[in-house]
Amino acid sequence: EVQLVESGGGLVQPGGSLRLSCAASGFTFSSYSMNWVRQAPGKGLEWVSYISSSSSTIYYADSVKGRFTISRDNAKNSLYLQMNSLRDEDTAVYYCAREVSSRLGELSAFDYWGQGTLVTVSS
Amino acid sequence: SSELTQDPAVSVALGQTVRITCQGDSLRSYYASWYQQKPGQAPVLVIYGKNNRPSGIPDRFSGSSSGNTASLTITGAQAEDEADYYCNSRDSSGKRVFGGGTKLTVL
Repeated sequence: EVQLVESGGGLVQPGGSLRLSCAASGFTFSSYSMNWVRQAPGKGLEWVSYISSSSSTIYYADSVKGRFTISRDNAKNSLYLQMNSLRDEDTAVYYCAREVSSRLGELSAFDYWGQGTLVTVSS
Repeated sequence: SSELTQDPAVSVALGQTVRITCQGDSLRSYYASWYQQKPGQAPVLVIYGKNNRPSGIPDRFSGSSSGNTASLTITGAQAEDEADYYCNSRDSSGKRVFGGGTKLTVL
C-alpha cells in the first residue's frame, strides 16, 4: 500500500525557518518524481515545488522561489522541504504528492497524497 | 506563468449530469488532471490524461478536452460527489499549476 506521511509542521514566527519531511513507503520511491502542494485555510490548492526522481530537475512556484528548497534522499525514501524567510502567507497545510507522468511529459498527475502537515506562521 | 480558470461553484440535481470546466493556454499542449477534495481530507485523483480513471474511481467520472478547455463530467451525480474539484496541469517551463477550484453542490 502506498503511503506518504508528512511531518515537521508547526508554529513559527515570520522570518523563521522550518523543514518538512515526507516519508514514503509501499512503492519504489527512487522511480517517481515528487511534489509539494499547499492549501491555505479556506483556500484552494497551490503547487509549491517539484523534484524529479534523481533530483536532476527541480521547479518552484514564483511565490516560494529563493526561500524554499526541495530535496530528497532516495536511500531513506524521504522527501524534504526546507522553508526559510517564512511569511504570514505561507500559513497552510502542506501535502507531499507522488507524480505519475508520460515519457514525453504531456501527461502528469498526482496519484497519491499524504494527509498533510500544518504550518502556521504568526508572531 | 500559466493560469487555469474554473467556475467557483456549480450545482446539479441528484442523478443528473454535470460538467466542470477548466480553461488555460497550457491545456492546448498538456493534459489536465482532476482532483476531488472533501472537507478535512486530502485531494484524491479522479481523472488524468486523455480520460483515465485511477482504480476505485466510479465510471460516472469522465474527462475530455478541446482546445484550451478541459472538462470533468459526472454522469448521474450522487450525494457523495459533493466536494471541491480542482484541475491541474503543467506549463512549458515545467511548473505545475492548479485551477482555483469548483465547489460542487448536489441538490
